[in-house]
Amino acid sequence: GAVVSQHPSWVICKSGTSVKIECRSLDFQATTMFWYRQFPKQSLMLMATSNEGSKATYEQGVEKDKFLINHASLTLSTLTVTSAHPEDSSFYICSAEARAGSTDTQYFGPGTRLTVL
Amino acid sequence: GESVGLHLPTLSVQEGDNSIINCAYSNSASDYFIWYKQESGKGPQFIIDIRSNMDKRQGQRVTVLLNKTVKHLSLQIAATQPGDSAVYFCAENIGTGRRALTFGSGTRLQVQP
Repeated sequence: GAVVSQHPSWVICKSGTSVKIECRSLDFQATTMFWYRQFPKQSLMLMATSNEGSKATYEQGVEKDKFLINHASLTLSTLTVTSAHPEDSSFYICSAEARAGSTDTQYFGPGTRLTVL
Repeated sequence: GESVGLHLPTLSVQEGDNSIINCAYSNSASDYFIWYKQESGKGPQFIIDIRSNMDKRQGQRVTVLLNKTVKHLSLQIAATQPGDSAVYFCAENIGTGRRALTFGSGTRLQVQP
């Protein structure tokens, strides 16, 4: 159980275009999902917290108008990178929070590799 | 706080040996800690977690130790196998309503056959 999927697994796009990444919790409902970004040989950096039915909470330094997050259902959150530029090339990873008893555990998706040319 | 590293420290061990991966955390308010394993090109995989009211927790071939006095966390892997080769991250949650995780800079474990 507690499987999180992401789609696509990789994408290459031209500079200036927008890219949408989907994050799905396959066998559980997730009120909260998180989006992280990871550059090569670096750790995961939290970008935003996505709450179902409400606006996402962005970390300091993350442009909310550039990284649009929508969490329209309990199993799906989307991240849209608008007007992508080469510096947005990165590994984007989502996680979904699953509750077991009184414990919330985050389960991560497999990641999406974005390359902007 | 958040960690960004320009390179990952590497731990190289022989197959069958025990591995110990260390992590220092900075926020004394953190009350929940998790170890994740990340293989190349994949998302982090949950290994084991521990709450601040414990100092040790054991799983299958893995043990996590928490020393709150010095804000130190360690992951011990018994009888390390080639399949354990990956980057290992510790993550902490500061509680107080914030459920997002703060990740450490990671350690690359290389298991020599």
